[in-house]
Amino acid sequence: AQSVTQLDSQVPVFEEAPVELRCNYSSSVSVYLFWYVQYPNQGLQLLLKYLSGSTLVESINGFEAEFNKSQTSFHLRKPSVHISDTAEYFCAVSEGAGGTSYGKLTFGQGTILTVHP
Amino acid sequence: GAGVSQTPSNKVTEKGKYVELRCDPISGHTALYWYRQSLGQGPEFLIYFQGTGAADDSGLPNDRFFAVRPEGSVSTLKIQRTERGDSAVYLCASSLGAVSTDTQYFGPGTRLTVL
Repeated sequence: AQSVTQLDSQVPVFEEAPVELRCNYSSSVSVYLFWYVQYPNQGLQLLLKYLSGSTLVESINGFEAEFNKSQTSFHLRKPSVHISDTAEYFCAVSEGAGGTSYGKLTFGQGTILTVHP
Repeated sequence: GAGVSQTPSNKVTEKGKYVELRCDPISGHTALYWYRQSLGQGPEFLIYFQGTGAADDSGLPNDRFFAVRPEGSVSTLKIQRTERGDSAVYLCASSLGAVSTDTQYFGPGTRLTVL
């Protein structure tokens, strides 16, 4: 079984400041890692994912996350945020290569990012 | 193209009533998932379909919850004898296949309120 912990329930920042949203996971098997974003009044959307290869993955809107196996972390970062990044962000895991499971996702509790002007 | 759709968007019902929540996945997607999101929490897995069959229903909280996908496309989540604790947003997601690398696309959810 897997579990995901998002250490911050709310993160307020000012526009153009850097931000880091923390995510730690626990699993007895290898995992795939995901960040989903939910903008106000919209559904969950995939932001980025780590499946294999380079441990640093990027999204099209400037976010990046680094898979750290030794620390079982997958923190999300952006060097300069915009007002439009205000949303709730969810970290999620699924069983990785060699697992017997399918795509079942285990989510963290979510982090509300609020960007102030 | 069309994404995952869910109806109704909102459902208010009284304790003890029966409700049905519908999910229309993306055309051609064989895998379909239901999740439940309670206030202030992340989504929690309920059930997974591969084609017409429920391949994993381990997340259903009790036997009041049941889901079907008779033709391998549209799915209906059914809740009998609703309780106030069933109030939540019910999310549906679909993916092209059933492997962990396939991206799940989520619908907007159905907000269920049990009075």
